[in-house]
Amino acid sequence: DSGVTQTPKHLITATGQRVTLRCSPRSGDLSVYWYQQSLDQGLQFLIQYYNGEERAKGNILERFSAQQFPDLHSELNLSSLELGDSALYFCASSRNGGASNEQFFGPGTRLTVL
Amino acid sequence: QKEVEQDPGPLSVPEGAIVSLNCTYSNSAFQYFMWYRQYSRKGPELLMYTYSSGNKEDGRFTAQVDKSSKYISLFIRDSQPSDSATYLCAMSFSGTYKYIFGTGTRLKVLA
Repeated sequence: DSGVTQTPKHLITATGQRVTLRCSPRSGDLSVYWYQQSLDQGLQFLIQYYNGEERAKGNILERFSAQQFPDLHSELNLSSLELGDSALYFCASSRNGGASNEQFFGPGTRLTVL
Repeated sequence: QKEVEQDPGPLSVPEGAIVSLNCTYSNSAFQYFMWYRQYSRKGPELLMYTYSSGNKEDGRFTAQVDKSSKYISLFIRDSQPSDSATYLCAMSFSGTYKYIFGTGTRLKVLA
């Protein structure tokens, strides 16, 4: 158990809908990362937050957004969902968010868009 | 060309074998090298974390980094069926905040 929690474990929804994924980092970690993992794309970095502020963006679609709250939990919002958004979404956390910090991953949310 | 290349496998070995997993990369700026293990439908679990070149050992696992060849390896000694998983390499460097992951190598250890 990494100490990173994610809810829900599974989400099944329809195209065009909007969903929110939630992540709580390990105790003491200030930085949260979101990744998408699909069969053909591997693990893709989406976005990073550090202590409530956005720090880095990866291949995140405009339909997706995220935020980190004062209690350091984070939410990833996915809107106007398409079939291709079906994937595993992972949250990871690290102490301070720099490249030298180890990232610890949560168990993931499996999103299925029908 | 991808920044990090990793053979997807699957790699099948008998129980007790020494396993060698590898990644190559193109960006010479990478300084931090990680190996993660991912069981099916689970989150990646950090196995090894190394900085710059050299070897690091932890139990049955040894990580090697050869920066001159842009090549990293993970060795698993006395492999067990419970080692069957996908192994992901990841890399980063100072001044960036993200990891670049390989696509993973699927390993099967046969009892």
